[in-house]
Formats: sequence, structure tokens, C-alpha cells
Amino acid sequence: KQEVTQIPAALSVPEGENLVLNCSFTDSAIYNLQWFRQDPGKGLTSLLLIQSSQREQTSGRLNASLDKSSGRSTLYIAASQPGDSATYLCALSGGYQKVTFGIGTKLQVIP
Amino acid sequence: AAGVIQSPRHLIKEKRETATLKCYPIPRHDTVYWYQQGPGQDPQFLISFYEKMQSDKGSIPDRFSAQQFSDYHSELNMSSLELGDSALYFCASSDPTGGGYTFGSGTRLTVV
Repeated sequence: KQEVTQIPAALSVPEGENLVLNCSFTDSAIYNLQWFRQDPGKGLTSLLLIQSSQREQTSGRLNASLDKSSGRSTLYIAASQPGDSATYLCALSGGYQKVTFGIGTKLQVIP
Repeated sequence: AAGVIQSPRHLIKEKRETATLKCYPIPRHDTVYWYQQGPGQDPQFLISFYEKMQSDKGSIPDRFSAQQFSDYHSELNMSSLELGDSALYFCASSDPTGGGYTFGSGTRLTVV
């Protein structure tokens, strides 16, 4: 059974800082990994998708890496902004199977 | 671009009532997933359908049932509602090429 852990559970940083969110998983036989953003009471917005054969993906100020051998993924956010404040969820899929989520990292960027 | 559409956005029901949530996946996506997210929790998998057949089952109560129709939309039927069923219910769809999952905006169910 896949287990996903996200550290830290909460993070508060001043605006402009670069930060790293961590995700670890127990089963390396994954199909893909996605990072989602969720604002309070809102839906899940996909940020980055990394296929099993890929090592990283970039979109704007976001960069996600995947290391299957060590069971880890990181989400790097450059030059953080108050609008980045949200909960960030790491999710893994084993193909046509359910996505397994981590509990998320709640990020607060202080102006 | 078309997204996953869920209806209604909000729903208030009394205990022991029934509720039906609807999900319209992205066109050509062949798999639909339902998730339940309680306050402060990560989304919990309920059930999924591939090509209109149930493909996987998670922690879905016996009071709940779901199906996928010929047009690929899916409905989650919830009966004998309990206070603990109050949550955000998400639907997601995925395509055959493994392009990840797209989630709908969710239905917020409140049971009073």
C-alpha cells in the first residue's frame, strides 16, 4: 500500500524567500506524481505533473523533482509571493489506479 | 480548455435524506474517480470507474453508490445521510495517455 508523507506540515516564510516542500513515498512503482495546490474550501489545481520516466518539471517559479529510487519528490518555489499561500498536496498514481495523496503542506507567505 | 464539471457546488441536506452528486469528466477521459475530503484532511478515495465499469473501490460506505453512464458522466448517490458525511466531494478524471488527473471544483455537502 502506497503511503505518502509531506514535510513540513506547515510553513511560514517572508515574501521573496525561496522554499522547498518535501514529499516522500513508500512504493517506487509509480506511474506519475502530481503536485496540487488547494486554497481553503476550494478545489485542487494541478501545478506540475512528473511522469515516471522524468526527473523534473518546471513551470514559471515552480520546479518539481522526482527521485524514485529514494522515494522522494520536492517542490521548489522561487521568490515566494503572498498569493502562493495555500496548501500544497503531493499525489501519486500507479496507473489506472486511485491517486494517493499526502496530507499536504500549508504554506503561508507573509508580506 | 474544458475542465471537470461538478454539480451542484453546494448542497445542504438533513440527516437521513439522500443526495446525488454529478460529475462530468473532460471529453475523451475514460476514468472517473470520486474523493471525499473532510475538514483539515487529505482527500480520501471512494470509488473509480473505467469505461463505465467500477475499477477500484476505497473507503466508500455501503450507504453510498455510484455509477458511470454511457456519456461518461458519473453520479455519486448518498443515502441515509449522517452528520459525518459533511465534506467536500471531488471528482477527477484521467486520460488514457497517463496525462495526470484533473479535479473538479468539488461539491460541498453539509448535513444538518
